[in-house]
Amino acid sequence: TQLLEQSPQFLSIQEGENLTVYCNSSSVFSSLQWYRQEPGEGPVLLVTVVTGGEVKKLKRLTFQFGDARKDSSLHITAAQPGDTGLYLCAGAASGTYKYIFGTGTRLKVLA
Amino acid sequence: DAGVIQSPRHEVTEMGQEVTLRCKPISGHDYLFWYRQTMMRGLELLIYFNNNVPIDDSGMPEDRFSAKMPNASFSTLKIQPSEPRDSAVYFCASSFEETGEWGSYEQYFGPGTRLTVT
Repeated sequence: TQLLEQSPQFLSIQEGENLTVYCNSSSVFSSLQWYRQEPGEGPVLLVTVVTGGEVKKLKRLTFQFGDARKDSSLHITAAQPGDTGLYLCAGAASGTYKYIFGTGTRLKVLA
Repeated sequence: DAGVIQSPRHEVTEMGQEVTLRCKPISGHDYLFWYRQTMMRGLELLIYFNNNVPIDDSGMPEDRFSAKMPNASFSTLKIQPSEPRDSAVYFCASSFEETGEWGSYEQYFGPGTRLTVT
């Protein structure tokens, strides 16, 4: 069974701080996605990475896919209260449309 | 576009009762997914359809769960009989197959149905 472990599980930081969230697996994925979920809503896609070593930036968010396509990281620069939410990574193995979701990182940014 | 629509938003029922959750995907999307989210187990894929045909139901917990997609604009997830351990938020998501990068597609999630079985 493919598992995606995220760390840390919970994170509470002050506005303006930087943070990194990790997503790790022993399995190789053909693509990996990051979602953000707010209370009472469904997850919303932030980014998709498909190439080992790939780096994508979305404003203050930087996403990296590991060279071996088994892990990924999300770095947020100068966090804002609006970044508060549950961050989920999701990986799909080659030849499948089935995404396995990670355990999640619950982020709270204090003003 | 209205996005993925789910109903009801909240459902409270007693153990042993039948529960039916409904989903209307985004028009033009050919994939539909049913997920269940709990604090203990996170977000789990239950089943997904392509062009109304079930492709993978390996995540369906047991025979008490069944899902149908009679047409491209409607799907149901039924639990009969329901049990307290079925309490969770159930999400429906839809997507369309993109050409180019394999497996690289965006899932659009509905707002979810919060199910409580007492």
